[in-house]
Amino acid sequence: NAGVTQTPKFRILKIGQSMTLQCTQDMNHNYMYWYRQDPGMGLKLIYYSVGAGITDKGEVPNGYNVSRSTTEDFPLRLELAAPSQTSVYFCASSQDYNEQFFGPGTRLTVL
Amino acid sequence: AQSVTQPDIHITVSEGASLELRCNYSYGATPYLFWYVQSPGQGLQLLLKYFSGDTLVQGIKGFEAEFKRSQSSFNLRKPSVHWSDAAEYFCAVFGGSQGNLIFGKGTKLSVKP
Repeated sequence: NAGVTQTPKFRILKIGQSMTLQCTQDMNHNYMYWYRQDPGMGLKLIYYSVGAGITDKGEVPNGYNVSRSTTEDFPLRLELAAPSQTSVYFCASSQDYNEQFFGPGTRLTVL
Repeated sequence: AQSVTQPDIHITVSEGASLELRCNYSYGATPYLFWYVQSPGQGLQLLLKYFSGDTLVQGIKGFEAEFKRSQSSFNLRKPSVHWSDAAEYFCAVFGGSQGNLIFGKGTKLSVKP
């Protein structure tokens, strides 16, 4: 099992550009999450999904969108990148309310 | 609201010394508690978790944590620190309504030779 994979590892965007952060898990987990990590702030939940076709907002959803068309994939979309979205993004998955498995992260810089 | 507090932002210990990282939580029901470790430039790896039962939990890499309900604490310990333990450590509680983890702000551990 590869676990949770994320692409790309690094990305630099210009203000106003858009991009999609990819996340795939091969553990057949129902639950998937997107977090952002800012220095000294821990991880904050952006969006989450409890299964294919079901998504909901977390603590900091503004400026982001998600979709969940399959169990495996949970992409995060940034439509109009802003400097405030410079962060490290982590995708995670879990089966029911249990341990969450994290991907390696995507480091995004918006200039 | 649920929350997690890690009072120490940065701790430095000598290699071979013992370690204790503090974690306090606020949660109405019986908490599900986790400790994760993040090495520089890496994702988060689970060290250990507490759901119920024995309040002293053993994890990977020689770490253990003790759940103390009366103190709302879940402190992480290691008897003898190795240089490879230098990393950032996050305590988390399962938040419930959104199925997500609520993280503390992390404690960065440096290890002196």
